[in-house]
Amino acid sequence: QKEVEQNSGPLSVPEGAIASLNCTYSDRGSQSFFWYRQYSGKSPELIMSIYSNGDKEDGRFTAQLNKASQYVSLLIRDSQPSDSATYLCAVNPPAAGNKLTFGGGTRVLVKP
Amino acid sequence: DVKVTQSSRYLVKRTGEKVFLECVQDMDHENMFWYRQDPGLGLRLIYFSYDVKMKEKGDIPEGYSVSREKKERFSLILESASTNQTSMYLCASSNPRGMFFGPGTRLTVL
Repeated sequence: QKEVEQNSGPLSVPEGAIASLNCTYSDRGSQSFFWYRQYSGKSPELIMSIYSNGDKEDGRFTAQLNKASQYVSLLIRDSQPSDSATYLCAVNPPAAGNKLTFGGGTRVLVKP
Repeated sequence: DVKVTQSSRYLVKRTGEKVFLECVQDMDHENMFWYRQDPGLGLRLIYFSYDVKMKEKGDIPEGYSVSREKKERFSLILESASTNQTSMYLCASSNPRGMFFGPGTRLTVL
């Protein structure tokens, strides 16, 4: 079992709709969770972090965390073509220092 | 803002050459990392360092070495470049707020 799992996609979303990305993790003691956006040919960019159960909103992005279910998600509201990218989920397992474990990423395509 | 810089965006080397990839961060982070990223394989950790002169092997250290003589600088060395080391190389530094990546070096080994 992979430590951090994501559906590879592509997730095709009409412009203006909500894109919903999911991520599950195996280490129940994990405390920090991150979402990265990576455009083709570019490096990953940190867009959201979440540490407590519940929702965290930042602009059009909402991260949701459910530690009991070992599940973290990212919602992108009012999706734009510029949101087309690969989104990486990352988890900081306990005793890992600040070394993150990354999922394989979900490719999102926003169609005009 | 955190800034991580890498010495080259694009690099072309020949098989057998010794290759140096340099990375510098300006946020006084203790933790630094080198990854490679290939299509379909995701991010793979090569080496990381928690402090000056300290290094730890990641998941794919074979064929690579690292050097960290100063806190802000972490170098990746390909001792004898091979064609299967053609890849995108990403340097990162981290603190509890997250991991921050440099722009990447696309290395081609001919």
